[in-house]
Amino acid sequence: DAGVTQSPTHLIKTRGQHVTLRCSPISGHKSVSWYQQVLGQGPQFIFQYYEKEERGRGNFPDRFSARQFPNYSSELNVNALLLGDSALYLCASSLVGRSNEQFFGPGTRLTVL
Amino acid sequence: GDSVTQMEGPVTLSEEAFLTINCTYTATGYPSLFWYVQYPGEGLQLLLKATKADDKGSNKGFEATYRKETTSFHLEKGSVQVSDSAVYFCALSDRGNTGKLIFGQGTTLQVKP
Repeated sequence: DAGVTQSPTHLIKTRGQHVTLRCSPISGHKSVSWYQQVLGQGPQFIFQYYEKEERGRGNFPDRFSARQFPNYSSELNVNALLLGDSALYLCASSLVGRSNEQFFGPGTRLTVL
Repeated sequence: GDSVTQMEGPVTLSEEAFLTINCTYTATGYPSLFWYVQYPGEGLQLLLKATKADDKGSNKGFEATYRKETTSFHLEKGSVQVSDSAVYFCALSDRGNTGKLIFGQGTTLQVKP
């Protein structure tokens, strides 16, 4: 079975631009979570979606938004990019919203110049 | 709020040496605890988990025991290999409805032949 997939793999943007990152969960998983991993640090929770509804949000500004589609795939959008948004963005899927076992994708490396 | 603290790295060992990576946590209630591993250029892989006090998680020769009295979840392996070189993250799960994982800052392990 395919694992969690993310696209694109790498992305370079300039300050002020907008970016959309995509994630496809493992087949049968209905929950998707997004994390930001700055170089040298542990991942920080951004959002969790379950059954297309937002179930949790981390301490990130409103420039960050996300949504989940009927097929349970998800998009993370970041507006007005800042240099500090440069990071690895990880998507994780799990069977149910409160499941503790999350399976991570390979991530999207975003560089903001 | 909830938090996870890991020993600082990097940890450099010779092949077949004994490994311990310390992890302590602060949490309300009784979280589940995890160790994830991240190989260079990849996403996170779940290494092992424990869901209640005194549980021992184990996988691929790695072990960790959930110690409620010392709020610890130290990772151990009796004999490391070069292929174990990676970054190791300790994490706890939010017991609420968000499915949020809270990670430590990561510990880099380098195993030399």
